[in-house]
Order: sequence, then structure tokens, then C-alpha cells
Amino acid sequence: KAGVTQTPRYLIKTRGQQVTLSCSPISGHRSVSWYQQTPGQGLQFLFEYFSETQRNKGNFPGRFSGRQFSNSRSEMNVSTLELGDSALYLCASSGGTYTGELFFGEGSRLTVL
Amino acid sequence: GIQVEQSPPDLILQEGANSTLRCNFSDSVNNLQWFHQNPWGQLINLFYIPSGTKQNGRLSATTVATERYSLLYISSSQTTDSGVYFCAALRSGGSYIPTFGRGTSLIVHP
Repeated sequence: KAGVTQTPRYLIKTRGQQVTLSCSPISGHRSVSWYQQTPGQGLQFLFEYFSETQRNKGNFPGRFSGRQFSNSRSEMNVSTLELGDSALYLCASSGGTYTGELFFGEGSRLTVL
Repeated sequence: GIQVEQSPPDLILQEGANSTLRCNFSDSVNNLQWFHQNPWGQLINLFYIPSGTKQNGRLSATTVATERYSLLYISSSQTTDSGVYFCAALRSGGSYIPTFGRGTSLIVHP
């Protein structure tokens, strides 16, 4: 069974640009959640999608958005990039129940210059 | 929201030593997981353990849900065990917002 796939793995952007990251969950998993990891703030929850609907949202500004497609693949977008958006972005998939085990992808490392 | 605290923040061991990592959480949980973050950043699942005890090779974990803590035991540590260990908790009550601890950074010297 293939694991969670995130693309791209590494990317460099400049301030003011936007970026789109992609996450393909484990086959059969309907929930995809996104996290930001920085040295200062640790791992923080961004949002979670289940069956194409945003079910939960963390405390991030509106520049951070996401969506989920009918095949459960998800994308997250960050607009008007700031230096502080430099981080490792991780996505996780699960079956979707509130007790479900999370499985993470390898992450997308974003550097904003 | 739920608070998750991990201790110790840093741990340095010689190869072959044993260690115990602790995760305290402030509320009832539906889900408690332990992860190992590898040098490339990926979070590797170690245990899904909202309660009870599990073992996988040299690693084992115990969660005492009524006392709101979980322990990760690493026996006969190896250099490949180095990295950061995270616990993550999902509070009972339906809000699907996992909270992660700050992690324990483990260095195992040969």
C-alpha cells in the first residue's frame, strides 16, 4: 500500500509570491490534515478536510487555504508569502474517524526569501 | 484546547542505554500517538496508543489515560534511534485538532 505522497519536496519562493502544495493520501483514507512545523512554534495544525469539506481549522490567517478533491487528494495554498512562512509543511491522512491513526508524508520544505 | 507536554526536552545517551520519554496531556483523549521524526523531516509512526501497553521490538509504550500520561521506552538504544520524538493527542469530544508536544530530541552516541 502506497504511503502519503507530498509534492514538491523542496521549494524556494520570494516574499509576496504564492505557493501550492499537494498531498495524496493513503488509498481509502478520506481525511487529510495539514501541519506547519517551525523551530519556534513546533508542529501546528492548519486544517483538516474530509470528503471535500473543511471540517476543522487551526489558528492561521486567511492567506492559508486548502481544498480536497473527490479522489481525496488535497492541496494547500499560501498567498502573499512572508518570511515567517518558511517551514516544513506536513500532511497526514487517516480514515477520518476521531480516533483514527494519522500517517504522515515526507513533507514539503518551503523557504521564503 | 488540550495541552501536551513532553519531557525531557533533550536526551543524550551512549549506545546500549535505556531511556524513558514522557508525554503529559491535560484532558481526556481519543487518540494518542508517538512519532519519530527522521533527519529528512518525515514523522514515522511508532505507536497508536490511547490506552494500555504495546511493544514493537526494542520500543514499547504505555498510556495511562486516567492519569493523563504516556511513556515511550527505548531499550538498548542504537545510533539510528537519534532524532526527535513527538507525541500527539486528540482530545475526546469530537474536535479533530491534534495537539503535538514540543518533542524530545534524542542523540545516541556510538
